[in-house]
Amino acid sequence: AQTVTQSQPEMSVQEAETVTLSCTYDTSESDYYLFWYKQPPSRQMILVIRQEAYKQQNATENRFSVNFQKAAKSFSLKISDSQLGDAAMYFCAYRSALSGTYKYIFGTGTRLKVLA
Amino acid sequence: ETGVTQTPRHLVMGMTNKKSLKCEQHLGHNAMYWYKQSAKKPLELMFVYNFKEQTENNSVPSRFSPECPNSSHLFLHLHTLQPEDSALYLCASSQVGGVGGTEAFFGQGTRLTVV
Repeated sequence: AQTVTQSQPEMSVQEAETVTLSCTYDTSESDYYLFWYKQPPSRQMILVIRQEAYKQQNATENRFSVNFQKAAKSFSLKISDSQLGDAAMYFCAYRSALSGTYKYIFGTGTRLKVLA
Repeated sequence: ETGVTQTPRHLVMGMTNKKSLKCEQHLGHNAMYWYKQSAKKPLELMFVYNFKEQTENNSVPSRFSPECPNSSHLFLHLHTLQPEDSALYLCASSQVGGVGGTEAFFGQGTRLTVV
């Protein structure tokens, strides 16, 4: 079975600085999708960024980028120029690309605090 | 109304009550999910429906009963719950197969307290 591990329960970053959140996963599959979700106090999970395992190029979305290391099964999220609105819980998630597989597997989350 | 909508936002119920959580998605997706989110634990997948057919039941106790009458609506019927069932219940939807993204879209959740 696949697992997702986030080893940092909490992280802090100064406003305008850069922070990296870690995520590792375990799978025997070669094709899958990885995601980072943000959950602010409003509770709604919002997609931050996604990565297809078959793509070697790291995904980027404005201030958010990932470092995807397939062999190491590592998928870290880098937030540049941190803003107060980035404060939230961040969840790493995995989904198999196998046909007929629909479930998303989540890590325990990292709480990000942004200091003014 | 767009996205995934869950009602109610908050629910307090006694252990002998029967209540239902409702989820509606307006995204044209073909898969819907119930997740349980408890403090300091990973999101726990409870049920998955694809085209109204249940494809996953993660050993969920029978006091939780899902219902998916069509691909846009998902219910979670609750009866004789325990205090440890208190949690945030999240509904999500996604498009599996065909054209479209691979991510799940979530509702704002129902905060359930069992007293």
